[in-house]
Amino acid sequence: GESVGLHLPTLSVQEGDNSIINCAYSNSASDYFIWYKQESGKGPQFIIDIRSNMDKRQGQRVTVLLNKTVKHLSLQIAATQPGDSAVYFCAENMRSDTGRRALTFGSGTRLQVQP
Amino acid sequence: EAQVTQNPRYLITVTGKKLTVTCSQNMNHEYMSWYRQDPGLGLRQIYYSMNVEVTDKGDVPEGYKVSRKEKRNFPLILESPSPNQTSLYFCASSLEGTGSYEQYFGPGTRLTVT
Repeated sequence: GESVGLHLPTLSVQEGDNSIINCAYSNSASDYFIWYKQESGKGPQFIIDIRSNMDKRQGQRVTVLLNKTVKHLSLQIAATQPGDSAVYFCAENMRSDTGRRALTFGSGTRLQVQP
Repeated sequence: EAQVTQNPRYLITVTGKKLTVTCSQNMNHEYMSWYRQDPGLGLRQIYYSMNVEVTDKGDVPEGYKVSRKEKRNFPLILESPSPNQTSLYFCASSLEGTGSYEQYFGPGTRLTVT
């Protein structure tokens, strides 16, 4: 598969445990945040998003928490499964002075689930 | 099936030989974008398009061209590829022109320039 990062931080968890992946974002003007999952050889896959007017959003087995005070985002995965093994990226989206919108990605965290 | 497709998936070429990587989406999305992914640098935006005939530079546009003549297609053109353009490229699309919604990514194109 394709390598997405040689020296990514790695989180290793046991199957069935909960996982928490953290992300610090850079721009206080960012108003939309997304978590992506990237498996080897594939493109990033949307997991969950949250807008800046929210602190928490839940999906199926996943929860995203947003702390705007410290510019911190976290992804919680409940009952982690082997299929959750992947690289996880947070991304922030903001509108620049020119009107351009772009996603700025974090460097990613590799999640390894031990059976 | 709703998807973003890219071709080719793998390409090895030589310095200076013009190439085009195609991208197509079948979701009637307004916003399309190209990224490159490099180890340690994450995903960086090359160009984006908010609608047909509307394109603009991203963070790393040098050495690349794009066009958006039809809503569904957004090809990436390397007029004179150089080894520093060896990378993994992703095309993405989003429903609304500002890109304020989730972006759907293609499977990637691994480009090697020798």
